[in-house]
Amino acid sequence: KQEVTQIPAALSVPEGENLVLNCSFTDSAIYNLQWFRQDPGKGLTSLLLIQSSQREQTSGRLNASLDKSSGRSTLYIAASQPGDSATYLCAVRPEYGGSQGNLIFGKGTKLSVKP
Amino acid sequence: SAVISQKPSRDICQRGTSLTIQCQVDSQVTMMFWYRQQPGQSLTLIATANQGSEATYESGFVIDKFPISRPNLTFSTLTVSNMSPEDSSIYLCSVPSGNTIYFGEGSWLTVV
Repeated sequence: KQEVTQIPAALSVPEGENLVLNCSFTDSAIYNLQWFRQDPGKGLTSLLLIQSSQREQTSGRLNASLDKSSGRSTLYIAASQPGDSATYLCAVRPEYGGSQGNLIFGKGTKLSVKP
Repeated sequence: SAVISQKPSRDICQRGTSLTIQCQVDSQVTMMFWYRQQPGQSLTLIATANQGSEATYESGFVIDKFPISRPNLTFSTLTVSNMSPEDSSIYLCSVPSGNTIYFGEGSWLTVV
């Protein structure tokens, strides 16, 4: 059974710092991996999606990497800002479901960026 | 891409009552997923809803408690029946589109 773990559970940093959020998964047979952002009381915003054949994806100050064989992904946030404060969720899509499969989520990392 | 609208966005419900959450998508989709997020927890899949067939429920979730309708390719409802405080959660619908999955804004239910 696929399990997704995110470390740390919470992180507080001063504005301007670069930071890394970690995600690990137990079954390497994934179709893709997705990072989401969730603000309090809100739905999910997709940040980056990495297909199983890819190693990384970048969007602005965000960079996500994927090492499928070791079951790990990282989300790198450069020059953090108070507006980045949110919970970041990592989710994997099992290979057997393909493009129509559901996501399996980690518990998230709650990020707080202090001005 | 897909734009998903959920109603209600928030509600406070009395114990023992039932509430139906609606999910409307701006395009036709084959599959829709319903997730639950309890306070401080991550998202857990409740069921997968395909148009024209019975929903497929995950372990720990049953149709009597969470009946789902899927009358067409753009709409679905999830009912939370006979609610208890443990049902206080965010309920989210989502749809796969291309290689990604899109989520609605969620319906935040508080059961008192």
